[in-house]
Amino acid sequence: AQSVSQHNHHVILSEAASLELGCNYSYGGTVNLFWYVQYPGQHLQLLLKYFSGDPLVKGIKGFEAEFIKSKFSFNLRKPSVQWSDTAEYFCAVRGASKIIFGSGTRLSIRP
Amino acid sequence: GAGVSQSPSNKVTEKGKDVELRCDPISGHTALYWYRQRLGQGLEFLIYFQGNSAPDKSGLPSDRFSAERTGESVSTLTIQRTQQEDSAVYLCASSHDRMNTGELFFGEGSRLTVL
Repeated sequence: AQSVSQHNHHVILSEAASLELGCNYSYGGTVNLFWYVQYPGQHLQLLLKYFSGDPLVKGIKGFEAEFIKSKFSFNLRKPSVQWSDTAEYFCAVRGASKIIFGSGTRLSIRP
Repeated sequence: GAGVSQSPSNKVTEKGKDVELRCDPISGHTALYWYRQRLGQGLEFLIYFQGNSAPDKSGLPSDRFSAERTGESVSTLTIQRTQQEDSAVYLCASSHDRMNTGELFFGEGSRLTVL
């Protein structure tokens, strides 16, 4: 069975700091990987996704993520965060069929 | 409408009552998911429909939970004999899996409170 782990429950950063949110998955076969974001008061939306090819994927708003197959990881990064990045971030994995989400990481940015 | 529509947006019920939550996916989306999000927690997978295939019910927490979907249209999630631990936001999402994008489009959710 597939599973997803997000190790950071709550991350607090100052504006312009660099961000890295961890995501590890467990699945024996080919996977599709996603990061979703939920801004306060809004519904979940796709930030970026990996299907195949270049393991470094770029998403909206300057976010990127790197798929490291040997580490079963898909960490989310942003070189310089803004106050508007305050949100909940969810990593997700699709194995054979269904999409499973991690427990989420709440990101708070100090202005 | 253009997006995933869920109703009711809020439901308060008494312990032991049955509730029915509705999801209207984006037209043409073959895949439909139900997730549960308890306060301060992540998304818990409940059930997955893909076209006319048998649904993946592996996430349903007990036999009090059931879901139906007619073809590639509306889905209903039914919770019988509700308990206080059923209180959560129930999220529906749809996807155009034929295009294999895997991108889920979420509704606003149905917030269920069991007193």
